Amino acid sequence: DAGITQSPRYKITETGRQVTLMCHQTWSHSYMFWYRQDLGHGLRLIYYSAAADITDKGEVPDGYVVSRSKTENFPLTLESATRSQTSVYFCAIADSLNYGYTFGSGTRLTVV
Amino acid sequence: AQKVTQAQTEISVVEKEDVTLDCVYETRDTTYYLFWYKQPPSGELVFLIRRNSFDEQNEISGRYSWNFQKSTSSFNFTITASQVVDSAVYFCALSEGWETSGSRLTFGEGTQLTVNP
Repeated sequence: DAGITQSPRYKITETGRQVTLMCHQTWSHSYMFWYRQDLGHGLRLIYYSAAADITDKGEVPDGYVVSRSKTENFPLTLESATRSQTSVYFCAIADSLNYGYTFGSGTRLTVV
Repeated sequence: AQKVTQAQTEISVVEKEDVTLDCVYETRDTTYYLFWYKQPPSGELVFLIRRNSFDEQNEISGRYSWNFQKSTSSFNFTITASQVVDSAVYFCALSEGWETSGSRLTFGEGTQLTVNP
């Protein structure tokens, strides 16, 4: 029971290409989040979603697009990847009953 | 807006030393939650503790202890008798009330702890 699954774990892509990172939860928690982790910045929020079809920008949304047509999936798309988007990306869910968060294992994305 | 500051970028200690990781936060809400996460070299985020704004009791869990002081907006983390396996990046994080900010979690920059044998 993984709970929250991210794919792929590792991805290398070229500048200008579109790439989608997947996030899937086996539960039905409402809130889902995308963070990126860069040295010296900790984890910064890209986008989040309060429910299916409800998304909102976080701290660093530029260059990213999200969608949430189903509660369990929250894909993150880089429409035209840039080298500055090389990072580790974490998906997370918020458990409003227990006031906790569960994170995926992360996707290490390299843009060359 | 909420903000978390971890002023210590890197800390290096020798095994068995005690070490304290500092965390200072800013928030306008009266209801909020504070967290600590550990990120070992393998990269996953490991939950350590959650504390709500109404509970200022210090907590101890084995070699770990946390000191929450609302008066100074701090939530410091102490590891007693550190071990090599404690080497990791440690993040402090803040969530401002589930109703007002969509339960977003704001992280500090992290503290890299290295415990040398």
